[in-house]
Amino acid sequence: LAKTTQPISMDSYEGQEVNITCSHNNIATNDYITWYQQFPSQGPRFIIQGYKTKVTNEVASLFIPADRKSSTLSLPRVSLSDTAVYYCLVGRPSDYKLSFGAGTTVTVRA
Amino acid sequence: GAGVSQSPSNKVTEKGKDVELRCDPISGHTALYWYRQSLGQGLEFLIYFQGNSAPDKSGLPSDRFSAERTGGSVSTLTIQRTQQEDSAVYLCASSWGLGGAGETQYFGPGTRLLVL
Repeated sequence: LAKTTQPISMDSYEGQEVNITCSHNNIATNDYITWYQQFPSQGPRFIIQGYKTKVTNEVASLFIPADRKSSTLSLPRVSLSDTAVYYCLVGRPSDYKLSFGAGTTVTVRA
Repeated sequence: GAGVSQSPSNKVTEKGKDVELRCDPISGHTALYWYRQSLGQGLEFLIYFQGNSAPDKSGLPSDRFSAERTGGSVSTLTIQRTQQEDSAVYLCASSWGLGGAGETQYFGPGTRLLVL
């Protein structure tokens, strides 16, 4: 499994865009990049997954540069309810021992 | 539809007692996972089931931990002779196919275990 590094915490204000960058320098050819969100006292929830370039859904966008050694989760116009821990995972379809590191705690203030 | 459910939601036990934690995955999901999350920490992988089989049990912290899955559905995580360091939230997740990083995992709300 590729090791990932992401900031421990980020602060933002309502209405702003939040960008969380995850470094994964030893990503392998078959690895996917997946982001999960975890609210207090809940299990993680899938946000978005990508392999290369850009992926967008109703919740977020995922930007992946050509070398795939990093990825950036973009949350547009955050609200207080986006306060959560965000986890970056990198692995291939056969990797079931997924590693959820400490994640990035995003705090959105009014 | 119904999501992943876990029971009990909270469990307080005395050191040395055995506990059983239950997970009901989403119907039809063949892959099932158990994780442990200590306070303020990330998730620690414990075990993965594909159907009723667990191809890799190396994530279990000690031989006091065991897990089984019956009928390709419900799973039970058992901790024998609990210790205070076992206190954590135990999370269960399931996914459709063979599992792995390519699939979305659906998590339950977790069981909060406190060992006194």
